[in-house]
Amino acid sequence: SQQGEEDPQALSIQEGENATMNCSYKTSINNLQWYRQNSGRGLVHLILIRSNEREKHSGRLRVTLDTSKKSSSLLITASRAADTASYFCATDAIGAQKLVFGQGTRLTINP
Amino acid sequence: DAGITQSPRHKVTETGTPVTLRCHQTENHRYMYWYRQDPGHGLRLIHYSYGVKDTDKGEVSDGYSVSRSKTEDFLLTLESATSSQTSVYFCAIRTGGENEQYFGPGTRLTVT
Repeated sequence: SQQGEEDPQALSIQEGENATMNCSYKTSINNLQWYRQNSGRGLVHLILIRSNEREKHSGRLRVTLDTSKKSSSLLITASRAADTASYFCATDAIGAQKLVFGQGTRLTINP
Repeated sequence: DAGITQSPRHKVTETGTPVTLRCHQTENHRYMYWYRQDPGHGLRLIHYSYGVKDTDKGEVSDGYSVSRSKTEDFLLTLESATSSQTSVYFCAIRTGGENEQYFGPGTRLTVT
């Protein structure tokens, strides 16, 4: 079964607004990662947050991790049309050699 | 950047025929993965490899086999394709020590 559950499944906002998407998971993890997928393309790694970290930034991306609630959020600030894509969280569970992906959030940025 | 290619990029085949998808990397990454992506299911792991001739099953391995005879190539075989195996297949390699993965462009397979 899928480790990560993402919310919302789809999000549509105006350019310039902030976008927030959430991910919940079930077991103990080494880290949680976020990936982006443009239509018809492979996934691209965006950012990784370790289990002992609470917040991480990369450019316009801000990721938080709450291990007590087994949840993470990805915030994209000052959205642009080029941010239109699907975003997936993936968990690296302790003892596993593989990632488990959520079903993704489809983000649409309207000009 | 890691170089990873998949072939073919598109394939249409008939039910019951064997199909082999190839994933090729240009760097000597130890771990390679095969996923399938379907609407409503996200990405699901089929098989992965942690070295030459070392493979293990993922979440949805039934109906699939893999082989890795060289570090750079990871093959996914559908012994007898079924319509339920119509999907987009992605290969990935682990590029970092914390299981960061780099994905290929995908293969769109249609089984009629």
